[in-house]
Amino acid sequence: SYELTQPPSVSVSPGQTASITCSGDKLGNKYACWYQQKPGQSPVVVIYQDTKRPSGIPERFSGSNSGNTATLTISGTQAMDEADYYCQAWDSSTVIFGGGTKVTVL
Amino acid sequence: QLQLQESGPGLVKASETLSLTCIVSGGSISSSRYYWGWIRQPPGKGLEWIGNIYSTGRTYYNPSLKSRVTISVDTSKNQFSLKVTSVTAADTAVYHCARQEAVAGTNDYWGQGTLVTVSS
Repeated sequence: SYELTQPPSVSVSPGQTASITCSGDKLGNKYACWYQQKPGQSPVVVIYQDTKRPSGIPERFSGSNSGNTATLTISGTQAMDEADYYCQAWDSSTVIFGGGTKVTVL
Repeated sequence: QLQLQESGPGLVKASETLSLTCIVSGGSISSSRYYWGWIRQPPGKGLEWIGNIYSTGRTYYNPSLKSRVTISVDTSKNQFSLKVTSVTAADTAVYHCARQEAVAGTNDYWGQGTLVTVSS
């Protein structure tokens, strides 16, 4: 079965750039998206179709997807960005989630 | 504004069947632009996709759960449902319903989630 691998945790200082990777076989050939989840809340999509940002999501969130890796980048990270982040791939009408990455803003 | 709301028992006995319904308001569940899906999250763990259903009634399931899961849709009530049979403690989780857009599978709208606990 298809698997997506994310680092369990990423730490970043306020104002710096956080990069979260998501690896899967030929992931660049599939659509990837990213969700942010804060404690006690439902996930919110921050990047969809590899690079697109929904309305209301700050410009500091950006995405890329090529080869075997999709990447979520948070530029100028703020304390409010501390959360769990999940990547997701879409393949033949099925959904695959990565294991999630906890972003800590130190 | 589209809204999804899960409903169903919060406590299910082991070996029995878990049943949840997702009521959709603010949009039609019959649209061909979307799938309607279920996702769960065990306490303190990550997201797990359970399955989805398309407007045609075609269903897709996570292979690891396929033998125990059924998703159905009631277009007259604008809602869809989940059944998981023979539950165990491992099925204890927050269950979310969500809308998935059909082009790239993005879950763009989520319900608030409902905690289902499996008791022995």
